[in-house]
Amino acid sequence: GIQVEQSPPDLILQEGANSTLRCNFSDSVNNLQWFHQNPWGQLINLFYIPSGTKQNGRLSATTVATERYSLLYISSSQTTDSGVYFCAVPKIQGAQKLVFGQGTRLTINP
Amino acid sequence: DAGVIQSPRHEVTEMGQEVTLRCKPISGHNSLFWYRQTMMRGLELLIYFNNNVPIDDSGMPEDRFSAKMPNASFSTLKIQPSEPRDSAVYFCASSPNRWNEQFFGPGTRLTVL
Repeated sequence: GIQVEQSPPDLILQEGANSTLRCNFSDSVNNLQWFHQNPWGQLINLFYIPSGTKQNGRLSATTVATERYSLLYISSSQTTDSGVYFCAVPKIQGAQKLVFGQGTRLTINP
Repeated sequence: DAGVIQSPRHEVTEMGQEVTLRCKPISGHNSLFWYRQTMMRGLELLIYFNNNVPIDDSGMPEDRFSAKMPNASFSTLKIQPSEPRDSAVYFCASSPNRWNEQFFGPGTRLTVL
C-alpha cells in the first residue's frame, strides 16, 4: 500500500514565524487532505487538495501530484496554531480508505 | 449546521465490560468511517460504510469489535469484552460521497482499566 511520510516530525517556533510542512507519498493520488489536531484532540479539516494550490487566511497548501508531495504553509504563526498536522491520502487510488502520515507536531511559543 | 456528533466523549470502564460508542454523521453524508488513534499506531481505519452498508471491515482488530449502521443517521461501534489494550481515542467521520473529503467528530476517549 501507499506510504506517507511527513517532515519534520517536530517543529518549535516563535509566534510570528512562518513554517512549511511537507508530506511525501509513494504513489499517485487523486485525493489529499490536511488536518490539524489541536491540543484538545479535535481533528479539523484544513484543506482538501488533490492538486494545485489553495489558500485560507494565513494557511495555504500546494500539492504537486506528479512529484508526489504536498506542502502546507503557515504564515505569521499564532499560539493557536500549535498541535499536530496530518496529511492523509487514499490507500489505493480512488479508494475511500485514507492512510495518515505520522504527523508534524508544531509548537508555537509566545 | 451540526458536524459529526459522537457520544460519549469520555468512557472509563473495567476490563471485560461491554462498550458502545455512538456516532451521528453529518446530514446528507452517505459514507461513514470509524477510526482509532493510539500513540503507538497513529490513526487507523477500522471500518467504513457506504449507504449504511459495511464496505470494508479489514481494520477491525478482532471479533470483539463490531459495528452497525441501522440507518443513515446513526452508527455504533461495540467492543465486547473490552480489554486494556483497547484504550484509545475512537473517531467517527463522514463524507458526502465516495470521493470527497472526510469530516471528523470530536472523538470518544476510551479507557479500559
